[in-house]
Amino acid sequence: GENVEQHPSTLSVQEGDSAVIKCTYSDSASNYFPWYKQELGKRPQLIIDIRSNVGEKKDQRIAVTLNKTAKHFSLHITETQPEDSAVYFCAASLVNFNKFYFGSGTKLNVKP
Amino acid sequence: ETGVTQSPTHLIKTRGQQVTLRCSSQSGHNTVSWYQQALGQGPQFIFQYYREEENGRGNFPPRFSGLQFPNYSSELNVNALELDDSALYLCASSESDKRETQYFGPGTRLLVL
Repeated sequence: GENVEQHPSTLSVQEGDSAVIKCTYSDSASNYFPWYKQELGKRPQLIIDIRSNVGEKKDQRIAVTLNKTAKHFSLHITETQPEDSAVYFCAASLVNFNKFYFGSGTKLNVKP
Repeated sequence: ETGVTQSPTHLIKTRGQQVTLRCSSQSGHNTVSWYQQALGQGPQFIFQYYREEENGRGNFPPRFSGLQFPNYSSELNVNALELDDSALYLCASSESDKRETQYFGPGTRLLVL
């Protein structure tokens, strides 16, 4: 089955700096890669996603890049703010979206 | 809020018991997936239900079973509870033509003693 690895497990940045979280996947058939943000005690929420036919996608301060050849994808957050502090999860899914595999999470701490 | 609800919010059971967790999907969503999230870990996919049938399954033993009802709500049943089953159980619903976009419920926290 699919195996998704996520690094780093914790990340601390100063407000205004950029943050990058990286994930690798093992199954070349995976073609959908969402990112979720989970604040303490709350449910995961989708923040951005990318499909395998696209190399990069941006949404304001958030961007995701995908390298299909190397089987890795990354989340980039620019101009970080204290409210970006949360746990971020990457995930991978196959074409029919009937199974989702999550990474182990990155706890991002943005220091004011 | 996304509209996915789960019950109960918290539950304490003892080893060997059975438990049933419930999920009401968001209006118009006919696909429900269940996840187990141990403390400090990412969600682990248990299974997905689509139109009342199991549509995909992760690496969980048969004592984890589920149901989906005609109104698309769903149940997760776990038999012969083990200490390691202690976790947050999340359900997520999605539309049939946009199944990649999942909306999570708030979860049920299960503690097995």
